[in-house]
Amino acid sequence: GAVVSQHPSRVICKSGTSVKIECRSLDFQATTMFWYRQFPKQSLMLMATSNEGSKATYEQGVEKDKFLINHASLTLSTLTVTSAHPEDSSFYICSARDGLAGDSVAQYFGPGTRLTVL
Amino acid sequence: GQNIDQPTEMTATEGAIVQINCTYQTSGFNGLFWYQQHAGEAPTFLSYNVLDGLEEKGRFSSFLSRSKGYSYLLLKELQMKDSASYLCAVLDSNYQLIWGAGTKLIIKP
Repeated sequence: GAVVSQHPSRVICKSGTSVKIECRSLDFQATTMFWYRQFPKQSLMLMATSNEGSKATYEQGVEKDKFLINHASLTLSTLTVTSAHPEDSSFYICSARDGLAGDSVAQYFGPGTRLTVL
Repeated sequence: GQNIDQPTEMTATEGAIVQINCTYQTSGFNGLFWYQQHAGEAPTFLSYNVLDGLEEKGRFSSFLSRSKGYSYLLLKELQMKDSASYLCAVLDSNYQLIWGAGTKLIIKP
């Protein structure tokens, strides 16, 4: 099956620092990757959609200058949380869509990154 | 607006059967997904329905009625490890996933 990895799985940082999260599709080419944020006991909130080789599309209310997304290859997308603050503490999850599969609508999720900003 | 409704929480007994319902109102429809999410983990894919009817996969089955905007996930022979949140999500006309808030399923011995 389609496997998506995410690194790191957990990060603790000081307020004002930047954190980079990597999302990789291991056994398929992901033409589209998605970045979600999930606060405790809440549903997934889509932050942005990332297409390989083009600029990410951000959802309303998500600051593109604060959450930098780079989808440089068909297997890697990165999310950088710049100048992180305690309110950015959350569970960040990426997902990827297999662009070459016949059934190319399913999204496969990475294991998530728990970010804690002190 | 777009809306996905599913119960907040359900409780069932080990070995029993439980049905988790999901109703939706979206701009367009390109399929409905069910995902399982254990606490502190990312969602894992369970099923995808785009045509009306029942899709069976082991102990889990998913049903769709597009005319009613309705789906359910049926879990049989419940095991303690099935305790998790179950997320219903609809792919709208823009191929964007619209997520329900999830149903927390509690399994009791």
